[in-house]
Amino acid sequence: NAGVTQTPKFRVLKTGQSMTLLCAQDMNHEYMYWYRQDPGMGLRLIHYSVGEGTTAKGEVPDGYNVSRLKKQNFLLGLESAAPSQTSVYFCASSGTSGSQETQYFGPGTRLLVL
Amino acid sequence: EDQVTQSPEALRLQEGESSSLNCSYTVSGLRGLFWYRQDPGKGPEFLFTLYSAGEEKEKERLKATLTKKESFLHITAPKPEDSATYLCAVQATGTASKLTFGTGTRLQVTL
Repeated sequence: NAGVTQTPKFRVLKTGQSMTLLCAQDMNHEYMYWYRQDPGMGLRLIHYSVGEGTTAKGEVPDGYNVSRLKKQNFLLGLESAAPSQTSVYFCASSGTSGSQETQYFGPGTRLLVL
Repeated sequence: EDQVTQSPEALRLQEGESSSLNCSYTVSGLRGLFWYRQDPGKGPEFLFTLYSAGEEKEKERLKATLTKKESFLHITAPKPEDSATYLCAVQATGTASKLTFGTGTRLQVTL
């Protein structure tokens, strides 16, 4: 039981390049989330999904797109990377009610945009 | 808008020196308050969930408490391995389990 995994662990992009971050969970969770973490800003929600085939915007969605084609996977895309997207990205998943609503996090992806 | 404020930003303790971390919050309707621990270069690790004022939970040297406006994370006789950043987050009712995080308290415990 690996929990939440993220790939890649680290990536360097040039401004304007695109990339996709992959999140996978093996806990059969309905809900999945993408956050970014910047110094002094705390974790901020980018996009989330309440089930396969659904996505919704979070607090800071601009410049990002997501897809949830399979229940266990949640992809975060950057179509044209900008230096302001340099950050650490975390994926999380949770169940839908009671104690199942606890979010469990992946190890993170460090992204540097030059 | 839901808000979470944590204090202090950083705390340095000697081994065995007990202290408390504070998490003040404003939320439209509290569904749960969460504490996480984050080590450098790692993802947040779940510690506790508190659901209602007066509730307390303990795990080893950590004890979390909740009132209607704030939560405390009490650390009793800390050890160097307790050094980490502690994050507080609130979950509002009707929000698909979304969390609003504070910026964390960075704790260093020295020998």
